[in-house]
Amino acid sequence: LAKTTQPISMDSYEGQEVNITCSHNNIATNDYITWYQQFPSQGPRFIIQGYKTKVTNEVASLFIPADRKSSTLSLPRVSLSDTAVYYCLVGDSFSNDYKLSFGAGTTVTVRA
Amino acid sequence: GAGVSQSPSNKVTEKGKDVELRCDPISGHTALYWYRQSLGQGLEFLIYFQGNSAPDKSGLPSDRFSAERTGGSVSTLTIQRTQQEDSAVYLCASSLGGEGIGNTIYFGEGSWLTVV
Repeated sequence: LAKTTQPISMDSYEGQEVNITCSHNNIATNDYITWYQQFPSQGPRFIIQGYKTKVTNEVASLFIPADRKSSTLSLPRVSLSDTAVYYCLVGDSFSNDYKLSFGAGTTVTVRA
Repeated sequence: GAGVSQSPSNKVTEKGKDVELRCDPISGHTALYWYRQSLGQGLEFLIYFQGNSAPDKSGLPSDRFSAERTGGSVSTLTIQRTQQEDSAVYLCASSLGGEGIGNTIYFGEGSWLTVV
């Protein structure tokens, strides 16, 4: 079971890039890395998922080094509306890792 | 439907009463999850359904909690004799489940339960 470690909180300002690094030292071969975003009073929302190297979509980029023991979510040019909790999850489609992988997440606060 | 649907969105109940929370997963999703989230806390796993397999109930906090999934689709989470510590948002999620894919979980907006 791949445990994840990520910072409790991060502060930023509008227009800056925010990078959140998640450690997952015992990631397994079949595991994918997925990031979710949660706003107050809402359910978590899927942001991005990757297996290795770099993945980019309209919202964020995900950087995964060759050893896959960590990953970095990059949010370009954040705005106030990006203030949320960000969760890093590691697991595969066979296991029920997801029942245990949600920690406290990283609270990102964007200021004007 | 287009997304995971939960009802009711808000429920206030008196201590000792029973409540039922409903989840309608995304069509075609074989895996269904229930989580609980207390104010300012991370998500706590409750129960997991995968197809016709026996559910993983290892996260249910007490025997007052139960869940069922009828016809492999809609699920109901039941809390009997509610206590104030049961106050939380109950999140349902679903995923495709299956071999060789990153198992993206899609969440509903949650059912906010307040026990008074």
